Amino acid sequence: GQNIDQPTEMTATEGAIVQINCTYQTSGFNGLFWYQQHAGEAPTFLSYNVLDGLEEKGRFSSFLSRSKGYSYLLLKELQMKDSASYLCAVRGLGAAGNKLTFGGGTRVLVKP
Amino acid sequence: DGGITQSPKYLFRKEGQNVTLSCEQNLNHDAMYWYRQDPGQGLRLIYYSQIVNDFQKGDIAEGYSVSREKKESFPLTVTSAQKNPTAFYLCATSLGGQGSYEQYFGPGTRLTVT
Repeated sequence: GQNIDQPTEMTATEGAIVQINCTYQTSGFNGLFWYQQHAGEAPTFLSYNVLDGLEEKGRFSSFLSRSKGYSYLLLKELQMKDSASYLCAVRGLGAAGNKLTFGGGTRVLVKP
Repeated sequence: DGGITQSPKYLFRKEGQNVTLSCEQNLNHDAMYWYRQDPGQGLRLIYYSQIVNDFQKGDIAEGYSVSREKKESFPLTVTSAQKNPTAFYLCATSLGGQGSYEQYFGPGTRLTVT
């Protein structure tokens, strides 16, 4: 099975940096996704990590350590529109290779 | 326009009634998924299908049923056996196979059962 943990809520100031951590315990691992979800809307894809290290994409970066079962999403130069929930999801192996297991999501509130 | 359509956006039903939520895609994706999201929670997988005429149970399949007769369509029926059906239902698709393919989500249907 899969167990994925992320903080429930975080607050940060506009222009600052926020780091959202995700830890996972899985029976098989084939990649980790981060999604952004604004209230009442569908999740949208942010990043994918399958190898250890940092992937940078504009203001957003995602890091993975497979040996530690750990990932983080880094949001830089925060903007008000970044207020949303951020979902960490782990992809399984083999026949379950298309399945994603989601964490509970981290709600980020950006204040002026 | 390419995309995923879920209709309606809001759906109201009386307890004891079955209800079918539609999901249609024109992305030519092989794999389709149904998730349920409760307030302040993450997504939980109900059913998924990797190819036409085949589908598998997810983590919370009890009280739900699906069919996959066409590549474009993956309807979800919420039956009266589902004890707490009120939730936000999201349909997703992906290219399938073993590639690093992200899932694309439809706009969702918010179901309220009273």
